[in-house]
Amino acid sequence: ELKVEQNPLFLSMQEGKNYTIYCNYSTTSDRLYWYRQDPGKSLESLFVLLSNGAVKQEGRLMASLDTKARLSTLHITAAVHDLSATYFCAVEGGGADGLTFGKGTHLIIQP
Amino acid sequence: KAGVTQTPRYLIKTRGQQVTLSCSPISGHRSVSWYQQTPGQGLQFLFEYFSETQRNKGNFPGRFSGRQFSNSRSEMNVSTLELGDSALYLCASSLWPGLADTGELFFGEGSRLTVL
Repeated sequence: ELKVEQNPLFLSMQEGKNYTIYCNYSTTSDRLYWYRQDPGKSLESLFVLLSNGAVKQEGRLMASLDTKARLSTLHITAAVHDLSATYFCAVEGGGADGLTFGKGTHLIIQP
Repeated sequence: KAGVTQTPRYLIKTRGQQVTLSCSPISGHRSVSWYQQTPGQGLQFLFEYFSETQRNKGNFPGRFSGRQFSNSRSEMNVSTLELGDSALYLCASSLWPGLADTGELFFGEGSRLTVL
């Protein structure tokens, strides 16, 4: 059974700081996704990582994938309040069970 | 380009009743997936449909069912509702299952079901 673990699950940080969210998964997979969810809203796709060593950047967010370590990171640079949200990583488990999501990282960025 | 549309957005039911939720995928998307989101269990995969056929099913009881129509619209049904079925039900569409597709899912706003 595929397991996806995110840490931290809760993060409060100040604007202007850098931080990294980690996503570990338990079985081999070459497809990893990052989503953002605002309170009461749906999931917004942020990054699609499809191979070992993949790195994607959008604004202050950068995601990477190391399939050998079964690890993805979401790095936040010079955080701003608008990035406050819950961030989920999700892993495709070989086609049998859809996407397996982590529990999410609730990120609060304070002025 | 219109996104994924789910109806109804909110609904309240009582235990023992049944409910049907509807999802219209992004135009041109032929794969539809359903997920349940609860505070305790997080996001869990329910099922996936492509070309009116269920491709995958998550670990949910038989009370949860779904179908897809020829225009790719999908419905899911929950019968004999239980309190624990209260959740946000999210529908997602994707362009095409398989190696040619990135597997990226585009989610609708969800249907929030409250069971009393």
